[in-house]
Amino acid sequence: DTGVSQDPRHKITKRGQNVTFRCDPISEHNRLYWYRQTLGQGPEFLTYFQNEAQLEKSRLLSDRFSAERPKGSFSTLEIQRTEQGDSAMYLCASSSLMAESSYGYTFGSGTRLTVV
Amino acid sequence: AQKITQTQPGMFVQEKEAVTLDCTYDTSDPSYGLFWYKQPSSGEMIFLIYQGSYDQQNATEGRYSLNFQKARKSANLVISASQLGDSAMYFCAMRLISGGSNYKLTFGKGTLLTVNP
Repeated sequence: DTGVSQDPRHKITKRGQNVTFRCDPISEHNRLYWYRQTLGQGPEFLTYFQNEAQLEKSRLLSDRFSAERPKGSFSTLEIQRTEQGDSAMYLCASSSLMAESSYGYTFGSGTRLTVV
Repeated sequence: AQKITQTQPGMFVQEKEAVTLDCTYDTSDPSYGLFWYKQPSSGEMIFLIYQGSYDQQNATEGRYSLNFQKARKSANLVISASQLGDSAMYFCAMRLISGGSNYKLTFGKGTLLTVNP
């Protein structure tokens, strides 16, 4: 297992289009998170899955955003009708509660979204 | 609500010297964990070190150590013998250990460290 994988690495889209990002977590990790990072800021929490259950959605996630984690494996984050303000780095992370103090949360390399 | 403050937008250090990156936090919960992450220009967040609020000793991990002062609510990262590859953004983060949101990391705004040869 080589870590958390995110696809694509970069996405340029026109305003109003829909985009979908994929995250493949470390297979032993039952916790999965999505964060958003804008330029000059630290990552901000978007949503959290424990296995396949989405347990929290940040108020940052408008109705245009939806995330899924079918069967508790990979996760997708979809943004409908993209706006320029959606331009950011979208980071996925996974963790196992027992290992967090030793290994932290493992982040992927992120998907950089640019809405033009 | 938890808050992380990193007051140094940028820091410079000479190669082979030590540097301290500041982090203060705010929470009313007695049980929490503090993390430091490194983010190179490539974008991935790399876990460096962890300190639990009940840990008796300051955490160390190779060239990284965490200067944990609980009464002052500070968790500064010390990097010894800086290397050129240490040039990156550094983020301090916190997570509550108990309670309903014990999975959520709250990040500071980060400090950009530049190591000069």
